[in-house]
Amino acid sequence: GDSVTQMEGPVTLSEEACLTINCTYTATGYPSLFWYVQYPGEGLQLLLKATKADDKGSNKGFEATYRKETTSFHLEKGSVQVSDSAVYFCALSANQAGTALIFGKGTTLSVSS
Amino acid sequence: GAGVSQSPSNKVTEKGKDVELRCDPISGHTALYWYRQSLGQGLEFLIYFQGNSAPDKSGLPSDRFSAERTGGSVSTLTIQRTQQEDSAVYLCASRIGGGGRGEQYFGPGTRLTVT
Repeated sequence: GDSVTQMEGPVTLSEEACLTINCTYTATGYPSLFWYVQYPGEGLQLLLKATKADDKGSNKGFEATYRKETTSFHLEKGSVQVSDSAVYFCALSANQAGTALIFGKGTTLSVSS
Repeated sequence: GAGVSQSPSNKVTEKGKDVELRCDPISGHTALYWYRQSLGQGLEFLIYFQGNSAPDKSGLPSDRFSAERTGGSVSTLTIQRTQQEDSAVYLCASRIGGGGRGEQYFGPGTRLTVT
């Protein structure tokens, strides 16, 4: 079945450091890919998404490119802030009516000043 | 506008008791999902409702779990004879339509603790 694998954390960085969180997927067909973020004490919220190969999703300085050839959707940010400290989830959804999100295990990011 | 709301935010129950968790989706969203977030299993799909269609129950872990959605809006997830392994955060999400490309909007979750 479909699955998502993302790098395990925690990831600890200093402010202004570069961030990469790796995410790879296994799926039949052409799924949509998502990054969700969960800030401390808050619910899941969509960070960015891409719906077809070579699409780049971006938001709040974060980017991820849908790479079909490597089945990857790595999350990147050039300069992290303390406020980026959160748990990040990579997810996919098959492009069929009603399919649920399949999530990776989540990666905890901690940014210190 | 109002987002997805869930109640209660926290629930502590004794093993063997039944619990009901409520979800109010965003108005006009026809698709509604329940997920469970636990330390050992991560985020798991439980059940999906789309309009008036029969729900997709393929993610429910046992027959102790059931859910209904009344009038295409509010949903209730019921867990009968709760067990300690049911302790988790139960998340509800809604989406404007049933297609796979759209964003799901999540509620804040209900933290269930079974003692």
